[in-house]
Amino acid sequence: DTAVSQTPKYLVTQMGNDKSIKCEQNLGHDTMYWYKQDSKKFLKIMFSYNNKELIINETVPNRFSPKSPDKAHLNLHINSLELGDSAVYFCASSQFLADTQYFGPGTRLTVL
Amino acid sequence: GENVEQHPSTLSVQEGDSAVIKCTYSDSASNYFPWYKQELGKRPQLIIDIRSNVGEKKDQRIAVTLNKTAKHFSLHITETQPEDSAVYFCAARTGDYKLSFGAGTTVTVRA
Repeated sequence: DTAVSQTPKYLVTQMGNDKSIKCEQNLGHDTMYWYKQDSKKFLKIMFSYNNKELIINETVPNRFSPKSPDKAHLNLHINSLELGDSAVYFCASSQFLADTQYFGPGTRLTVL
Repeated sequence: GENVEQHPSTLSVQEGDSAVIKCTYSDSASNYFPWYKQELGKRPQLIIDIRSNVGEKKDQRIAVTLNKTAKHFSLHITETQPEDSAVYFCAARTGDYKLSFGAGTTVTVRA
């Protein structure tokens, strides 16, 4: 009955690899987000999709590409991983753009 | 863009005492101010929020105040308990729907 879920929970990979993180919400929300939380715990928005349309696209390297196959899913694909990509990535969702955001459990990405 | 500053970065209180965390924001168009609590290794969870048409909101031991003129808002936790120990984040949302977070306050409640 988890509202916002992410897979995998942990991801350890080598520099230069390509990886994906998946997010699903069963709340019937229209809007989904990706956030990055760095080692100092700072939370920063990366992307937001509303009804499968990209709404927010912060200054993120184009190695990061979000994809929303439907309103309930928002995946994040990262190409050519770098050491600095190591962080916890949180997915979130809200009923609509101006509503309360609910976070997923996070994916801890470690790039070696 | 919006800039949210949060103070203090760490806060240690005796169990039963009150804790206050303050945030300031830069964009006068910001209209929604949530507070999230994040326990170690867990997701941020909303604990309380306030919209710009309200000056104060309370939920049991937690209260938030908003001063739009001064562009600052505060979280008040009364009768702190050990389970209140966590990192607390304030945030502000502007008209472009982006949620900008403060840097977080690590609260430790001493038994």
